[in-house]
Amino acid sequence: EVQLVESGGDLVQPGGSLRLSCATSGFSFSSFWMNWVRQAPGKGLEWVANIKEDGSETYDVDSVRGRFTISRDNAKNSLYLQMNSLKAEDTAVYYCARGARQGTQYQYFDFWGQGTLVTVSS
Amino acid sequence: DIVMTQSPDSLAASLGERATINCKSSQSVLYDSNNKNYLAWYQQKPRQPPKLLIYWASARESGVPDRFSGSGSGTDFTLTISSLQAEDVAVYYCQQYYDTSHTFGQGTKLEIK
Repeated sequence: EVQLVESGGDLVQPGGSLRLSCATSGFSFSSFWMNWVRQAPGKGLEWVANIKEDGSETYDVDSVRGRFTISRDNAKNSLYLQMNSLKAEDTAVYYCARGARQGTQYQYFDFWGQGTLVTVSS
Repeated sequence: DIVMTQSPDSLAASLGERATINCKSSQSVLYDSNNKNYLAWYQQKPRQPPKLLIYWASARESGVPDRFSGSGSGTDFTLTISSLQAEDVAVYYCQQYYDTSHTFGQGTKLEIK
């Protein structure tokens, strides 16, 4: 059974930093692109970033570029999101999602974690 | 970035009735070289993560009931629920994967009348 479990969400002050983790099991982690997708409270979905199977390529949305860094550790079957210079508008549930397509950054998402809440507020 | 616009924003239908949700992209998501539409649909129930329903605009994900179907091409797409069940109450999102922005529609909230 495919499982994605996020952790690391917390209340943080504007300008602060946070590192999210996503522990995975039930599939060959190193064979899939992985993604972060977020959802502000009561709002819709926004793709944040993704990373190639071997970690050699990453892509992200304009609003987080230069502040967020996606990474992975294939030995630990884990995905990460380092979030720096956090803003109030980054407040959201952050989902880890598996990319369904292999060999391309253009993804739809076939498995999702339950999400972890990040709140940016003073 | 490609903008995805869904209509309506909310929809109420009776049990057993057909429900139709539309999604329009600001540019075509049909890739000419493989004739595939880079469009997916998701269902999100309260306090749950999204669930993949449809990909390539009309391919049903494994385990998804066949009352869910997707259609359309280019810039205009439709998700149809042929006979609405109580468990279909949710918010539905379309998503394009034609470019790296991976943008979603704003969502359509489906309720039982």
